[in-house]
Amino acid sequence: GAGVSQSPSNKVTEKGKDVELRCDPISGHTALYWYRQSLGQGLEFLIYFQGNSAPDKSGLPSDRFSAERTGGSVSTLTIQRTQQEDSAVYLCASSPPARETQYFGPGTRLLVL
Amino acid sequence: SQQGEEDPQALSIQEGENATMNCSYKTSINNLQWYRQNSGRGLVHLILIRSNEREKHSGRLRVTLDTSKKSSSLLITASRAADTASYFCATDKAAGNKLTFGGGTRVLVKP
Repeated sequence: GAGVSQSPSNKVTEKGKDVELRCDPISGHTALYWYRQSLGQGLEFLIYFQGNSAPDKSGLPSDRFSAERTGGSVSTLTIQRTQQEDSAVYLCASSPPARETQYFGPGTRLLVL
Repeated sequence: SQQGEEDPQALSIQEGENATMNCSYKTSINNLQWYRQNSGRGLVHLILIRSNEREKHSGRLRVTLDTSKKSSSLLITASRAADTASYFCATDKAAGNKLTFGGGTRVLVKP
């Protein structure tokens, strides 16, 4: 079946602009995660959605970052007023109910000029 | 912040040799997983070992876990050029929870 998909694959933006990154999880997966991978910080957790529960936002680095998950499926990560340090690969993952394995999408490579 | 530290950071071996990498973590865990990443994009799950397990095998992969030392190792036997990738350990504190990743080991398998 289809895996986790993310769009766009690559995004180049200018400092100060807003960007939206999209994640389509595997159908039936109740948990959805966003991570960021950058040269200096490695792989970092950003935010986690589980079913209808309130999301765990503890990894969001600033209030410029926000995420939504509509209808328990698609998720959008929004970065407002982008900064150069936001340049990274943003990875989305999903997992089925009661399972720990996470299935990752190919990521969105964001470059802020 | 990084929970785990991995060593070595990079490893270069010949095809057919074994590759061993280690991961250490700082806090108690529910389970520990290993993932592979090719070309800096999506991660692929390799194997999961629970906190009450000490060793696990999957094909050419062998994982050990020592909770007293807060460490794990991943052994890839009879390596192939296709095993060239970065390998990450990841831990979680509860089932279905967020993962905390180590810094990764870059493995190069030369044909």
